[in-house]
Amino acid sequence: DIQMTQSPSSLSASVGDRVTLSCRASQSIGSYLNWYQQKPGKAPKLLIYGASTSPSGVPSRFSGSGSGTDFTLTISSLQPEDLARYYCQQSYSIPRTFGPGTKVEIK
Amino acid sequence: EVQLVQSGAEVKKPGESLRISCEGSGYSFSTYWIGWVRQMPGKGLEWMGSIYPGDSDTTYSPSFQGQVIISADKSISTAYLQWNSLRASDTAMYYCARQYGSGFYDPWGQGTLVTVSS
Repeated sequence: DIQMTQSPSSLSASVGDRVTLSCRASQSIGSYLNWYQQKPGKAPKLLIYGASTSPSGVPSRFSGSGSGTDFTLTISSLQPEDLARYYCQQSYSIPRTFGPGTKVEIK
Repeated sequence: EVQLVQSGAEVKKPGESLRISCEGSGYSFSTYWIGWVRQMPGKGLEWMGSIYPGDSDTTYSPSFQGQVIISADKSISTAYLQWNSLRASDTAMYYCARQYGSGFYDPWGQGTLVTVSS
C-alpha cells in the first residue's frame, strides 16, 4: 500500500494569512493526488484533483502543486470559513489511501 | 444536480447484520464507480472499497476484504454496504462518493452513522 503523510498535523493562522499544507507519498504517484476539505460535522468536499486542478465552484484562494512524492495545498488568504481538516488522497493505486489530515484553525 | 443520498443513522447490537444504502441521482449511475469510506469517531478517512454499478465489478481494501460486502442495484441507482455480523469496532460514519476515472471522489453522500453497542 502507498502510505500518505501530512504535515503539520495542525496549524493556527490569522485571517488573511497564506497557509501551506504538505502531503508526501511513500512512492511516486505522478499527479494522482487529490485534496479534500472536511468542515466540522460535514462530509468531505473535493478541493483539488490531479494535484493542481480545481473543480468549478472552489474559491480561487485554494491551489495545489507538486508531483511524484511531494505535494502542497496553499490557501493564499485564509478566511474564517476555511476552518476544517484537509486530507490528501492518492489515486495512483488500490487501495486508495488518505493522509491523516491537517487541522486548520483560525487565530 | 448530481447527488448521493445515504440512508439514515443506525443503532445495532454486536452480531447483528446491517445494510446501508447510497442512492445516486442527476447522472448516469451505471457509468461511475462508487466508493465507500469509513471515518471512525474523531479519526481520519479510510478507503474501504468501490463498485462499478454497470457490471458490479468490486474492489476492496485489504483492510476491509471479508469484513464487509459492497453491492449495487443499477436499476434503482443504489449502492450498498453490508455487514453480516457487526462488531463494536464498526461504530463509525460511513460515506459513499462518486469516483471519477482518475480516482478522485466527488460528490460525497451526507454520511450514515452506524453505532454498534450492546
